[in-house]
Amino acid sequence: DAGVTQSPTHLIKTRGQQVTLRCSPKSGHDTVSWYQQALGQGPQFIFQYYEEEERQRGNFPDRFSGHQFPNYSSELNVNALLLGDSALYLCASSSRGTISSYEQYFGPGTRLTVT
Amino acid sequence: QKEVEQNSGPLSVPEGAIASLNCTYSDRGSQSFFWYRQYSGKSPELIMSIYSNGDKEDGRFTAQLNKASQYVSLLIRDSQPSDSATYLCAVRGGGFKTIFGAGTRLFVKA
Repeated sequence: DAGVTQSPTHLIKTRGQQVTLRCSPKSGHDTVSWYQQALGQGPQFIFQYYEEEERQRGNFPDRFSGHQFPNYSSELNVNALLLGDSALYLCASSSRGTISSYEQYFGPGTRLTVT
Repeated sequence: QKEVEQNSGPLSVPEGAIASLNCTYSDRGSQSFFWYRQYSGKSPELIMSIYSNGDKEDGRFTAQLNKASQYVSLLIRDSQPSDSATYLCAVRGGGFKTIFGAGTRLFVKA
């Protein structure tokens, strides 16, 4: 049973650049959420995608955007990178329509460093 | 007031003891509650979910929910050194957003 996968594992970018992070959900899951986790903090909700639409968004600027593809995989794009965007970016998948539909399973994360 | 609050710890318990982790939340309309374990440098791993008042047991773990007091707890029985990690409390309100606490660091001493 394939779990949630993310790529790349690590990334170093310069201020002002743009970055794209990728996520494939767990087999059988159709919903993808993205989180940002700063050191020593809990994950902060960025947004959730279902049926290729952004379903809900957290308190993040529109420099953060996303996309979900027909195969349920997803991308997170961040434009005009700031030093404060350095964090672990986590993708979590879940399956709508089940009793445990809000149980989310995380991928290994992408560690983004902005210099 | 933070939406989900946890004591940051560290909580230190001897091997074989019961570890008790606590969490409070502010949204009375919250419906779903989760505990995740996160080892240093790794991503969170779901260990328990609870949706109704009372206790839910799974192996050495027991989750307790009291919606009237807006309180969730996690008990770990027979704690092992391998249980040393950060434990994240997560709460889903009326929408699709899940809010995480900052986590409690647990150390189990051999």
